[in-house]
Amino acid sequence: DAGITQSPRHKVTETGTPVTLRCHQTENHRYMYWYRQDPGHGLRLIHYSYGVKDTDKGEVSDGYSVSRSKTEDFLLTLESATSSQTSVYFCAISDQGPSDTQYFGPGTRLTVL
Amino acid sequence: GIQVEQSPPDLILQEGANSTLRCNFSDSVNNLQWFHQNPWGQLINLFYIPSGTKQNGRLSATTVATERYSLLYISSSQTTDSGVYFCVGSQGNLIFGKGTKLSVKP
Repeated sequence: DAGITQSPRHKVTETGTPVTLRCHQTENHRYMYWYRQDPGHGLRLIHYSYGVKDTDKGEVSDGYSVSRSKTEDFLLTLESATSSQTSVYFCAISDQGPSDTQYFGPGTRLTVL
Repeated sequence: GIQVEQSPPDLILQEGANSTLRCNFSDSVNNLQWFHQNPWGQLINLFYIPSGTKQNGRLSATTVATERYSLLYISSSQTTDSGVYFCVGSQGNLIFGKGTKLSVKP
């Protein structure tokens, strides 16, 4: 298994609070991704990173920001959480780019009350 | 962007049965991947298959890029095959289908 961890694995928070999810990899892969998974939608890309301090938006980026200050860490921040952001969040990594094989972390279940 | 459609949405099998899952995509893709999400939520890459046929144990996949479809074959199914199978296309970023939920009964 690729060395990808996510923290926390579960979180319950209240509407309007800030939330930060962390993805950590030990594979030294250049590309990192954040997805959300909702019933009936498969996985949808939120943001991705193609290097330290290099990020770009995905399909559902509104309400989310990301940062990558080190190769191994990719942070996803919800500045002011809303109930519509209740979801399971997956981090993924790849070596050559988005079309390359992606390896997924175990997921973080976030509930916004 | 591309659309990825999977069929059937749900499938129930008796252990030992064979099955075929289908994926149609609306436009040409740079690559095509199949993932399995187990009942605990873990996503595992099964095949990276932009074209041709690959086999891995009881699983095999075929992609016919010119006709914009891919098939995933599961032979002699086991209860551990249960979960959701996602077909994923890419012209850049990955586009996931909605998945086929497979339940294998003992």
